Amino acid sequence: GENVEQHPSTLSVQEGDSAVIKCTYSDSASNYFPWYKQELGKGPQLIIDIRSNVGEKKDQRIAVTLNKTAKHFSLHITETQPEDSAVYFCAAYGQNFVFGPGTRLSVLP
Amino acid sequence: DTAVSQTPKYLVTQMGNDKSIKCEQNLGHDTMYWYKQDSKKFLKIMFSYNNKELIINETVPNRFSPKSPDKAHLNLHINSLELGDSAVYFCASSQAPSRGGQQFFGPGTRLTVL
Repeated sequence: GENVEQHPSTLSVQEGDSAVIKCTYSDSASNYFPWYKQELGKGPQLIIDIRSNVGEKKDQRIAVTLNKTAKHFSLHITETQPEDSAVYFCAAYGQNFVFGPGTRLSVLP
Repeated sequence: DTAVSQTPKYLVTQMGNDKSIKCEQNLGHDTMYWYKQDSKKFLKIMFSYNNKELIINETVPNRFSPKSPDKAHLNLHINSLELGDSAVYFCASSQAPSRGGQQFFGPGTRLTVL
């Protein structure tokens, strides 16, 4: 079955810096890759997603890149703000949704 | 309006009891899911229903039984609760999974088994 790895597990950046979270997947049939942000005490919230026929997608300060050949995809957050602090999950969808273990991002003011 | 709602938000119960968690979505989605998030934040799918029919049933003990009375509801019933069942349970919904429809999650139910 699908296996999704995610790095780093924790990430601390200064406000205004960029943050990058990387994920790899194992099933080449996976074709949809969402990213979720989970704040304390809340459910995961979709922040951006990318499909296998696209290499890059951007939405304001957030971007996602996908390398199908290498089977990895990354989340890029620019100009980080304290409210970006949360746990971020990547996921891959082939036959079902498989989540990475999460990255705890701390943005220091 | 809340897109995906769950009740209760907190559930504290004794080992051996039977309990249910309810989930409703008002997004018109065909597919609904239950996830378990453990203390280390790992999110693992338990069940997936499409148009009231079970399409995914991961290796979950038989004590867990999902019930979908209609497309907008997917309830989770748990029999003979065990200490290891303590976790946060999330309901989610999406459009057709074959197209990788975007998932929307509920706020979660924190289950504590004493």
